[in-house]
Amino acid sequence: NAGVMQNPRHLVRRRGQEARLRCSPMKGHSHVYWYRQLPEEGLKFMVYLQKENIIDESGMPKERFSAEFPKEGPSILRIQQVVRGDSAAYFCASSAPYRAPGNTIYFGEGSWLTVV
Amino acid sequence: KQEVTQIPAALSVPEGENLVLNCSFTDSAIYNLQWFRQDPGKGLTSLLLIQSSQREQTSGRLNASLDKSSGRSTLYIAASQPGDSATYLCAVRRGETSGSRLTFGEGTQLTVNP
Repeated sequence: NAGVMQNPRHLVRRRGQEARLRCSPMKGHSHVYWYRQLPEEGLKFMVYLQKENIIDESGMPKERFSAEFPKEGPSILRIQQVVRGDSAAYFCASSAPYRAPGNTIYFGEGSWLTVV
Repeated sequence: KQEVTQIPAALSVPEGENLVLNCSFTDSAIYNLQWFRQDPGKGLTSLLLIQSSQREQTSGRLNASLDKSSGRSTLYIAASQPGDSATYLCAVRRGETSGSRLTFGEGTQLTVNP
């Protein structure tokens, strides 16, 4: 059973370009979370999604950032017109439906975005 | 709003020493608390998870305790080794239902010197 898979692991973008980060949750998991870790800081919640629904996006910047988790395929975190301050590690996590046995949140290895 | 604080921010100890990392949280209404390890440039490795009804969990040289009423958790590492050097993150999960997200502390950066 593969873990949470994120790609790309490392991404370099020039200012103004778009960054797309992908996350495939663990098998059987229908809940996906995105977190951002700025340099020398802790992880900050961005968004929580279920299949085809955004449940909580209270941590998402108001502009340029969007997330989706379609019925088929991975979850996508999209950052438009990237700026240097977007350089960070973006972690995806997934969990099973509520009240499932062992309802733990599992993290991927992260995607490191560098904006030059 | 839940806030998680970890003390100390950094710790350097000689090999073999027993040590304690501290975590405190402001809202005691939590579902569970989890300790993670993060190596530089790497993802998170879950070390221990304590449900809100539990008081402690043990795995090898690691022991985590939870005092929900006072909003505190400790991670005890026995007989520390250089390989334990990493950043240790504490995170609380708000609930089983809405949101269900983790709130992280800033981490404790541990260095174990040979």
